[in-house]
Amino acid sequence: EAAVTQSPRNKVAVTGGKVTLSCNQTNNHNNMYWYRQDTGHGLRLIHYSYGAGSTEKGDIPDGYKASRPSQENFSLILELATPSQTSVYFCASAGYEQYFGPGTRLTVL
Amino acid sequence: GQQVQQSPASLVLQEGENAELQCNFSSTATRLQWFYQRPGGSLVSLLSNPSGTKHTGRLTSTTVTKERRGSLHISSSQITDSGTYLCAMDTGYQNFYFGKGTSLTVIP
Repeated sequence: EAAVTQSPRNKVAVTGGKVTLSCNQTNNHNNMYWYRQDTGHGLRLIHYSYGAGSTEKGDIPDGYKASRPSQENFSLILELATPSQTSVYFCASAGYEQYFGPGTRLTVL
Repeated sequence: GQQVQQSPASLVLQEGENAELQCNFSSTATRLQWFYQRPGGSLVSLLSNPSGTKHTGRLTSTTVTKERRGSLHISSSQITDSGTYLCAMDTGYQNFYFGKGTSLTVIP
């Protein structure tokens, strides 16, 4: 069974603070993704990666950076968090199919 | 941009009834992948289907890529089937675009 883990699972941050969300996969998949999920918008792609050292912008990249230091790890970075970034964030990896992590609930006050 | 439309937005069934969920997409897709999500939960992959019909358990996925549509049939629904069903299209290169989902409620 494919395994994708995320940390932290819950995070409360202050406006203007820096937030790093981490994702690890043990599937040896090349592709990894960061999404956010909001009521009324569904899942929206923020950044993705085709392998170590690569990051690509998704549909809503503004305010987010990504880092893929290794095959297994993919991070999402909010340099200056804002309340509009309060959401549930999902990481996924893909071989033929996509597999999702458990999600991180981020609240920015 | 890419668009994926799911219908109906919500569905209420009595236990034992069948469900038919639709997915329409705006551009060429190499396949559809269906996911299940519990409230507050993560996404669980159900089926991935490039074309034609695929079965697993009580689920049947049909994908007609030329007509840019797909469907998920759930037979003999159970209360534990309640949740949200998401359709995602793969445009190739494993870039996935998601619909907003169909919320299914199964009542006794």
